[in-house]
Amino acid sequence: DAGVTQSPTHLIKTRGQQVTLRCSPKSGHDTVSWYQQALGQGPQFIFQYYEEEERQRGNFPDRFSGHQFPNYSSELNVNALLLGDSALYLCASSLDGGAGDTQYFGPGTRLTVL
Amino acid sequence: EDQVTQSPEALRLQEGESSSLNCSYTVSGLRGLFWYRQDPGKGPEFLFTLYSAGEEKEKERLKATLTKKESFLHITAPKPEDSATYLCAVSTRYKLSFGAGTTVTVRA
Repeated sequence: DAGVTQSPTHLIKTRGQQVTLRCSPKSGHDTVSWYQQALGQGPQFIFQYYEEEERQRGNFPDRFSGHQFPNYSSELNVNALLLGDSALYLCASSLDGGAGDTQYFGPGTRLTVL
Repeated sequence: EDQVTQSPEALRLQEGESSSLNCSYTVSGLRGLFWYRQDPGKGPEFLFTLYSAGEEKEKERLKATLTKKESFLHITAPKPEDSATYLCAVSTRYKLSFGAGTTVTVRA
């Protein structure tokens, strides 16, 4: 049973550039959430997608946007990169049954902004 | 605003020395409390979900408990392979709000 997969594993960008990160949910899951984890901190919620719509959003600027495809996979786009965007980006999937569902995380994408 | 506080920040144990990690929370409308284990540079690995006060879950050397204000993760007779950062998270609507984690180091 395939778990959550993310690509790429690592990415290096320069300030002002744009980046796209990809996520495939665990088999049978239909909901995808994205988190940002800075070094030494817990993950911070960016947004959640369900039925191809953004269902809830955290305190992140509009530079962060996403998309969910009909096969439930998802993309996270970040525009106009800042040095502070350097972090581990985590995707989590769940089977929607309402709030409180267990979310399963992928291995993450390490983004470095120079 | 949901708040999750974990203590201690770091814990150094001798192999076999049992201990507990604390997660205190302030949320409106708790839907679930989650424990994850995270190894350096990896994604969090799911351990437990607790939904109501008084609930307990066990897995190998780990046991999680929940009250109305806090949760504990008990590690019994830990082994070096239990070394990791343990994250606590609460769910209100759909998002998870995490604490900063407790980094556990178990020496042989």
